[in-house]
Amino acid sequence: AQSVTQLGSHVSVSEGALVLLRCNYSSSVPPYLFWYVQYPNQGLQLLLKYTSAATLVKGINGFEAEFKKSETSFHLTKPSAHMSDAAEYFCAVSDSSASKIIFGSGTRLSIRP
Amino acid sequence: NAGVTQTPKFRILKIGQSMTLQCTQDMNHNYMYWYRQDPGMGLKLIYYSVGAGITDKGEVPNGYNVSRSTTEDFPLRLELAAPSQTSVYFCASSPKAANTEAFFGQGTRLTVV
Repeated sequence: AQSVTQLGSHVSVSEGALVLLRCNYSSSVPPYLFWYVQYPNQGLQLLLKYTSAATLVKGINGFEAEFKKSETSFHLTKPSAHMSDAAEYFCAVSDSSASKIIFGSGTRLSIRP
Repeated sequence: NAGVTQTPKFRILKIGQSMTLQCTQDMNHNYMYWYRQDPGMGLKLIYYSVGAGITDKGEVPNGYNVSRSTTEDFPLRLELAAPSQTSVYFCASSPKAANTEAFFGQGTRLTVV
């Protein structure tokens, strides 16, 4: 069965600093991987997705993620944090034979002025 | 564009009562999902559907039922509400699960007292 593990339920960085949110996956087949963002009192929206076309995936708002098969990781990064990036971020996985998307437990990102 | 619409936005139920959370989408998506979100637990899949007339259990189906009589609608039924069902419920849809974006509703905040 597919699953994702997000390391760190809360990450706090200073404005302008590097953002790194960690996600490791488990899948018996080549995975499709996603990062979603949730702003307060809203639903989730897609940041980016990996579907095997390229290992480095660029998303919206300056975020990107790199798929590393050897490490079973799909960490999310942004070079310079903005106050508007404060939100909860979810890693998710679905595989080519599955009909469902499984989410991680989420990481809350706080930005210090 | 309406996207995925959930009603109601808020509801308070007494223990043992029943209710239906409504979800409708206007994007002609085949796949629809119900998730619940609890603090620190991420999103847990309750039920999903790959098309009209087809539903299947997710990670946490106990205490819930669903139906999918049309492509547009995917209601979630709670029978005999319990305090453990206090949560935020999200409905989502996607054209295809494996490698496409899921679109989320705004959520229904349910409290069982």
